[in-house]
Amino acid sequence: RKEVEQDPGPFNVPEGATVAFNCTYSNSASQSFFWYRQDCRKEPKLLMSVYSSGNEDGRFTAQLNRASQYISLLIRDSKLSDSATYLCVVNGGTGFQKLVFGTGTRLLVSP
Amino acid sequence: DAGVIQSPRHEVTEMGQEVTLRCKPISGHDYLFWYRQTMMRGLELLIYFNNNVPIDDSGMPEDRFSAKMPNASFSTLKIQPSEPRDSAVYFCASSLHQQGAHEQYFGPGTRLTVT
Repeated sequence: RKEVEQDPGPFNVPEGATVAFNCTYSNSASQSFFWYRQDCRKEPKLLMSVYSSGNEDGRFTAQLNRASQYISLLIRDSKLSDSATYLCVVNGGTGFQKLVFGTGTRLLVSP
Repeated sequence: DAGVIQSPRHEVTEMGQEVTLRCKPISGHDYLFWYRQTMMRGLELLIYFNNNVPIDDSGMPEDRFSAKMPNASFSTLKIQPSEPRDSAVYFCASSLHQQGAHEQYFGPGTRLTVT
């Protein structure tokens, strides 16, 4: 079983739609959780950290369910510029600085 | 502020040749990571350093790969001899150890093609 699992997609949505991505992780000792965004042929960039209480940044909402070892990302009012691959990331537990990346969920927002 | 700097951005080499990838982390960051990304395997951690000391190299595929960090502002990843299956994008990332903050910042990557 992979340490971090994501649906690869692609998710095809029209502009203005709401879309949600899910991710599961296997290491119950993980303490830090993130969503990264990666554009085609570019480096991954931090989108947002995920806190136990859930957190929101503009149109983006992230939630964590430790009991189910599940992380989600909700994007409201999708923009064309949101088209990218979204990587679910957790720390490795034993080494807090060691991050494990999911293979990503691809989002395509169309006009 | 300058981000993580990597060079070269693209490298095309023949099988059997030595390849050296270079990275300059963000100034003041105390962790440095080397990753490899392919379509098949996604983003894989190869090795990481803390204060210039290698901490975990369990992701290094085999003895053909080696990494060094002679000082806080420079690291290299060397492949000798290179093979076609090493073709991938190699990213360097750095982070600063702060309580509750483990965000990593990536360089633009080196796209390696081994023919």
